[in-house]
Amino acid sequence: GAVVSQHPSRVICKSGTSVKIECRSLDFQATTMFWYRQFPKQSLMLMATSNEGSKATYEQGVEKDKFLINHASLTLSTLTVTSAHPEDSSFYICSPGASGGAATQYFGPGTRLTVL
Amino acid sequence: GENVEQHPSTLSVQEGDSAVIKCTYSDSASNYFPWYKQELGKGPQLIIDIRSNVGEKKDQRIAVTLNKTAKHFSLHITETQPEDSAVYFCAASPQQAGTALIFGKGTTLSVSS
Repeated sequence: GAVVSQHPSRVICKSGTSVKIECRSLDFQATTMFWYRQFPKQSLMLMATSNEGSKATYEQGVEKDKFLINHASLTLSTLTVTSAHPEDSSFYICSPGASGGAATQYFGPGTRLTVL
Repeated sequence: GENVEQHPSTLSVQEGDSAVIKCTYSDSASNYFPWYKQELGKGPQLIIDIRSNVGEKKDQRIAVTLNKTAKHFSLHITETQPEDSAVYFCAASPQQAGTALIFGKGTTLSVSS
């Protein structure tokens, strides 16, 4: 399957700071990137969908000014949590998608964010 | 939009028994149904998937069945082993470009030896 990496794997930050999470598609040209978050003991919830070179589309209830997504290349997408607060503590997972929509969906290993 | 229901939320079996997890979906346009296994602190790993042009797919101890008329699909694990213990998620998608997977709430499977 596709190889997807995320960095960092876990991060602890103080309230009010910004955190950047990188997602790399190592063997796959990701024209689309899906960002999910997962709270403890819950399912994956889609946050936003980004297409390479264009603005991301955010799901209802997800603040686009708080969760900044950049998808500048076919192998790299970043999610920046701005002015993080304790309620943003969660497991963030990316999933690259190919054009045509026929490809199997693989996921990154996730980033555990803890905001103190 | 799509809504995926998954049952049961927890499932405990003895080693060697079979485990069955069931999901239903609402959007008749969905045509791709993957199953993921997630271990604590890790991202979801694809274990098997099925597309709407087939009714059943098997890979060693794992099988998935799909009933498009009834809009439900199931995961079957035979001869369960302790290492099968994890959270399992079903998902559905129309599999068009730019369309994300919608997940069920997950099933925590515990296999005791």
